[in-house]
Amino acid sequence: DIQMTQSPSSLSASVGDSVTITCRASQDISSYLAWFQQKPGKAPKSLIYAASSLQSGVPSKFSGSGSGTDFTLTISSLQPEDFATYYCQQYNSYPRTFGQGTKVEIK
Amino acid sequence: EVQLVESGGGLVQPGRSLRLSCAASGFSFGNYAMHWVRQAPGKGLEWVSGISWNGDTTGYADSVKGRFTISRDNARNSLYVQMHGLRTEDTALYYCARVGTPGSYYKTPFDSWGQGTLVTVSS
Repeated sequence: DIQMTQSPSSLSASVGDSVTITCRASQDISSYLAWFQQKPGKAPKSLIYAASSLQSGVPSKFSGSGSGTDFTLTISSLQPEDFATYYCQQYNSYPRTFGQGTKVEIK
Repeated sequence: EVQLVESGGGLVQPGRSLRLSCAASGFSFGNYAMHWVRQAPGKGLEWVSGISWNGDTTGYADSVKGRFTISRDNARNSLYVQMHGLRTEDTALYYCARVGTPGSYYKTPFDSWGQGTLVTVSS
């Protein structure tokens, strides 16, 4: 199975800051990488697919990059509604595996 | 608008069975692969199972293989997972998720999620 490792596990940031979350795959997954946002008590929301493509309706403040084994999610100009937990997931092969999550908290 | 509504969760004793359902609307259900993903209380997301648009191809996480069976009824726009031999570690919120591209089971990302149904396995 492909292991997905996110870092950091949590971070604190202020409104207006930009933050970057890293996701590393244990083997080459090309660009078959998605990012999800989950707020407390809510279902996950799909943000990014193919490492850098925004899902419909997702604001351009979210951006993704990377290929192979190393990927990043950057959120610019953090707003209160962006404080959530973010997960990466590889869909290159089965079983589809998720990172452990990164909780973005308000400083 | 894509809508996915899970149901069937509840409290069940270890070793018993339960069937979850996911009712789909707002899109041509029969054209899309579908998946189940779960989240144990306070934990991260875990892919459980997936099924192709026509039901011919299925896949399972090792943690549920041999105990869970995914299926679908395209005439009823519904996805199911039959769970047998439930264990305490199966306690989780179970989400159904749709992939973003019709016709493909492989290398296709999720784009829509339901709100989940809670399964609690406890004596």
